[in-house]
Parts: sequence; structure tokens; C-alpha cells
Amino acid sequence: NAGVMQNPRHLVRRRGQEARLRCSPMKGHSHVYWYRQLPEEGLKFMVYLQKENIIDESGMPKERFSAEFPKEGPSILRIQQVVRGDSAAYFCASSRNDGANVLTFGAGSRLTVL
Amino acid sequence: AQSVTQLDSQVPVFEEAPVELRCNYSSSVSVYLFWYVQYPNQGLQLLLKYLSGSTLVKGINGFEAEFNKSQTSFHLRKPSVHISDTAEYFCAVTRGNYQLIWGAGTKLIIKP
Repeated sequence: NAGVMQNPRHLVRRRGQEARLRCSPMKGHSHVYWYRQLPEEGLKFMVYLQKENIIDESGMPKERFSAEFPKEGPSILRIQQVVRGDSAAYFCASSRNDGANVLTFGAGSRLTVL
Repeated sequence: AQSVTQLDSQVPVFEEAPVELRCNYSSSVSVYLFWYVQYPNQGLQLLLKYLSGSTLVKGINGFEAEFNKSQTSFHLRKPSVHISDTAEYFCAVTRGNYQLIWGAGTKLIIKP
């Protein structure tokens, strides 16, 4: 029973390139959350998705960032035209649709922008 | 609005000594409470949770936490820490909707 799978674990991009981070939720989980963690800071909520629906993207920057969770396949967090300030660890979590909000986290994707 | 306060950003403690990591929350309604642990360069792992029932909750790795409604606290404790407990610990609260409110984290530093 695989947990939440994130890839790539490490990604290096130059300024102006695009970064795509993938997240496959745990089996049986229909809710996906993306968080960003900057060095020496806590988790910051970015976006909450269910299959084919963005429920809450209030934590996501309005420009350059987008997220999707298609009917088939993993959830994808896309960052266009990356800048140095985007360097961070991006964590995906998933949960069941049971209201208890027990999140299972992936190991994270660490983005470094040169 | 809900908020979660972890008063200590770092807690140094000697190996085999007891430890308490503090968490206070603000909410006027019933909440669910969680502690997550993040080991270096890893994702977060659920340590324990309080949903209902007994206010003393036991988690993995010998940790436990007590829900105190009157003091709106959910402090995490372990009677004897090990080097392997070196990690950052996050407290979180939700009212049962999807939105988890996170504390800023407490780094547990174990001194040999």
C-alpha cells in the first residue's frame, strides 16, 4: 500500500524555466493538498484539490503558479518562469473524504532555482 | 479566526530526559488536533491525533499528548527522549473542514 508519491524528489531549474511537480495520492484518497515550506519556516498552504476540481487556491500566488488534479493521473503543481524565491520544498498531502482531515504527506519535492 | 501557537521555536534537551512541546490554539468551537513530526529532509508524518473521546492520546515512538479544552492546549510529551527524536514537530488544528491551521513548528534538539 504505497503512500503519497511525489516526484521528482529534487529539481534544479534556471530562472525563467518551468517546474512541474507531481503527486500521486494514497490509494483511496480523493483529496490532495499542496504546501510550500521555505527554509526555517513552517508549512504554508497553497491549494486544495479534488478530482478535476480546485476547491481552494487561496494560498497560491496569482501569477505563474497553477495546479490540477485530473480524472486520471497524478496531481501536478506547475510553476512557470521560476525565480530564485521559488526555491523551497513543496509537499503534497492526501486525505480521505471523511472530514477528519488526517493528512498523509509525501516526502516532498525540493526545487532549487539557480 | 483560528490560530495555533507553538511558543518554543527550539527545545534543547538531554538524551533520556523528559520533554514537553507546547501547543495552544484559539477556537470557540470543537476542533480536531494533530501533531506531525518532520525528520530532516523528509516529509511530515502523523504522530498522533485527537478527534474525540479520551483527552490523553498516545502516538507513535512513545509520544503522548493531552487535550485540555479549558486551557485550549494540546501539549506533546515524552518521558525519555532519544537521539532519533531529533526533528521538527508541528501542531495543527481543524474544525473538521479541509482547512488545517498549522503552528510554526518546534525543533527538538537532543543533546548527548
